[in-house]
Amino acid sequence: SQTIHQWPATLVQPVGSPLSLECTVEGTSNPNLYWYRQAAGRGLQLLFYSVGIGQISSEVPQNLSASRPQDRQFILSSKKLLLSDSGFYLCAWSVGTVSTQPQHFGDGTRLSIL
Amino acid sequence: AQTVTQSQPEMSVQEAETVTLSCTYDTSESDYYLFWYKQPPSRQMILVIRQEAYKQQNATENRFSVNFQKAAKSFSLKISDSQLGDAAMYFCAYSSGGTSYGKLTFGQGTILTVHP
Repeated sequence: SQTIHQWPATLVQPVGSPLSLECTVEGTSNPNLYWYRQAAGRGLQLLFYSVGIGQISSEVPQNLSASRPQDRQFILSSKKLLLSDSGFYLCAWSVGTVSTQPQHFGDGTRLSIL
Repeated sequence: AQTVTQSQPEMSVQEAETVTLSCTYDTSESDYYLFWYKQPPSRQMILVIRQEAYKQQNATENRFSVNFQKAAKSFSLKISDSQLGDAAMYFCAYSSGGTSYGKLTFGQGTILTVHP
């Protein structure tokens, strides 16, 4: 069966520090991968998605970047964190080019910027 | 761009009763999919139900059903026989059809409280 792992679960970082959040998927090949951010009390906003190794699409301009060095690995990064980067970050995966298959989400990372 | 609106920030229901959560969306597309996701306090997003826009029949999954009004661009979720475990934040989401790679646009969410 397919599983998705996301870590760390919780992270506290000072303003200006770098960031690296990792997400891996097991049990499937060539998944679509997504990074979402959920600000406090708000819905999820799609940040990045990837349909293949090295292919990254950004949905909103921001201080973050994403990379996909391997088929089932998706990394969210920042060189210098801002206070506004605080939030709950969710990784998700799906298969195929159309929306008939739902997305499956990881457990999320709660990021607090001090 | 598509937008999804959930106008009820919070709802409450008594255990065993029925509750309906509202969702409206705006799109110019004819081919799309709509979803309801549940996010319990554990924070993991769980798919509750899915509706294909080309299907006139409303989707149902056990105690969960939707009222899909395509012309009105409305997609409400009805939870029957509410249980304590239904307490969560519920998100309505939209995905374009065609080659969209399943990207989702979410509403703001509705917090559902279930009273014993």
